[in-house]
This record gives sequence, structure tokens and C-alpha cells, in this order.
Amino acid sequence: KQEVTQIPAALSVPEGENLVLNCSFTDSAIYNLQWFRQDPGKGLTSLLLIQSSQREQTSGRLNASLDKSSGRSTLYIAASQPGDSATYLCAVPLGETSGSRLTFGEGTQLTVNP
Amino acid sequence: GAVVSQHPSRVICKSGTSVKIECRSLDFQATTMFWYRQFPKQSLMLMATSNEGSKATYEQGVEKDKFLINHASLTLSTLTVTSAHPEDSSFYICSARTGGRRQYFGPGTRLTVT
Repeated sequence: KQEVTQIPAALSVPEGENLVLNCSFTDSAIYNLQWFRQDPGKGLTSLLLIQSSQREQTSGRLNASLDKSSGRSTLYIAASQPGDSATYLCAVPLGETSGSRLTFGEGTQLTVNP
Repeated sequence: GAVVSQHPSRVICKSGTSVKIECRSLDFQATTMFWYRQFPKQSLMLMATSNEGSKATYEQGVEKDKFLINHASLTLSTLTVTSAHPEDSSFYICSARTGGRRQYFGPGTRLTVT
């Protein structure tokens, strides 16, 4: 059974700081890994999707890396802003396709202080 | 593109009644839709997978007679919580998948059972 863990559960940083969120998974035979953002009381916004054959993906100030063999992924946020405050979730598919059922981590609640 | 809507966004119902939540893909056809439940401060837990024109597949521990799922068209899936109890109060999120592989998430529905 795939288990996804995220560390830390919560993180508070001053504006402008670079930060790293961690995600680990127990079964390394994943098809891909996704990072999502969730604002309070809202749905999910997909940030980055890394295919199993890729090592990293970048979008603006966000960079996600994937190390399948060690069962880890990191989300790097550069020059953090108060608007980045949200809960960040990582998820992996339960099946062999990225469209199959997803297993989510517990999330990291990020607060960026002005 | 790839917008998923949910209706209602919030609903309050009395214990013992039933409530229906709609999930619509607005600009694409969704062959598969997924229903997730999220309790406060917790991550998303997959409840069921819904394929257009066929019966839903429920995750272990989810009562199919209590959570009725209908996916009658390629743009609409509904989740009906029957005989709702206060412990069913939660945030329900749907996602939809096209013929491609990415899932797109709805904004969620906050259900409160009094």
C-alpha cells in the first residue's frame, strides 16, 4: 500500500526566504508525482507534475524534484511571498497511469509573514 | 481550459436527510471522475471512482449505499449522501480526468450536518 508523508506539517517563514517542502512515498514504482496548492476552504490547484522519467520540473519560482529510487520529492519555493501562504500537498497515482486514483500526503501548511 | 465546478459550494442539512452534490466538467468531457473527502486539518481521502455509464468503484471502507454516485453523462457526476449524520460533515472534492492523464479538481463542497 502506497503511503505518502510530508514534512514539515507546518512552516512559517519571513517574506523573501527560500524554502523547501518535502514529500516521501513508500512505493517507488510511481508513474508520476504532483504538487498541489490548497487555499483554506478551497479546492486544489495543480502546481507541478513530474513524470517518473524526469528529475525536476520548474514553473516560475517553483521547482520540484523527484528521486524515485529514494522515494522522495521536494518542492523548492524561491523568494517566498505572503501570497504563497497555503497548504501544499503532494500526490502519487495508485495505478500505472497519472489519471488514476491519487494518494495524497497530509500536506504542509505554509505561512509567509510580511 | 479544463475547469471543474461543484454545486453547491456549501450546504447545511439536518440529520437523516439526503443531500446531492454535483460535479461538472465545464469545457471538456470527463470519462472518469473521482470523489474525495477531506476532514479538517487532514488530507484528501479518495472515496470512489466514477466512470461514465457504469457503476462507481468504491474504496475500502466507503459505504456504497450511503454515498450514491451517478455518472450519467460525460460532463456530470453526482454524489448523494443519504441519511446524513453529523459525522458525514466534511469537505467533498471531485476531480475529473479527460482522455489524457491529468486530473482537474473542483472547488469543493462544504457539507455540514446538524
